[in-house]
Amino acid sequence: DTAVSQTPKYLVTQMGNDKSIKCEQNLGHDTMYWYKQDSKKFLKIMFSYNNKELIINETVPNRFSPKSPDKAHLNLHINSLELGDSAVYFCASSQGQGNQPQHFGDGTRLSIL
Amino acid sequence: DAKTTQPPSMDCAEGRAANLPCNHSTISGNEYVYWYRQIHSQGPQYIIHGLKNNETNEMASLIITEDRKSSTLILPHATLRDTAVYYCIVRVFGSARQLTFGSGTQLTVLP
Repeated sequence: DTAVSQTPKYLVTQMGNDKSIKCEQNLGHDTMYWYKQDSKKFLKIMFSYNNKELIINETVPNRFSPKSPDKAHLNLHINSLELGDSAVYFCASSQGQGNQPQHFGDGTRLSIL
Repeated sequence: DAKTTQPPSMDCAEGRAANLPCNHSTISGNEYVYWYRQIHSQGPQYIIHGLKNNETNEMASLIITEDRKSSTLILPHATLRDTAVYYCIVRVFGSARQLTFGSGTQLTVLP
């Protein structure tokens, strides 16, 4: 009964490759997010979708492209992976605008060789 | 969103109350105080939030000063499983915006 699930949990790949991370939430939320946590443990927002529409797009290289096929899914595709992309990527979801808390997945640990 | 300041680390004995402080002196009237924690190798977990009144739930209590410039998260009976990084975040009400995480407080519960 996992609320926010990400796949894969671990991803090891070589520089230059293209990879995707998938996220699904079964909470019925209408807003989903991608965060990146770097080696210094700082969590930073990357993207946010509300009802499949992009509402937040922070300063992220255009090699990163989120896709939301429906409200329950927000996938992250990364082209031409670079060493600096190594991090833990967290997906989260919340219900609408307001003060509702965000629910996070357990992260995808991406390592670039 | 207002900036927050937290001590980098704290220790607490198992079974005792853990009191985690947070300063948010530039908070504005429409900003809520949220607390999340991140246990090692897991995603952040929501704990509690409040505007100006003290709040309590099954996990913790949140005490906000009258001027709202600081708050304290209280874990009444800390266990080893409460060892985590605790983040205090201030966020505008009515916004589907992101959470802005600082560096948080590493709480270590000692046996």
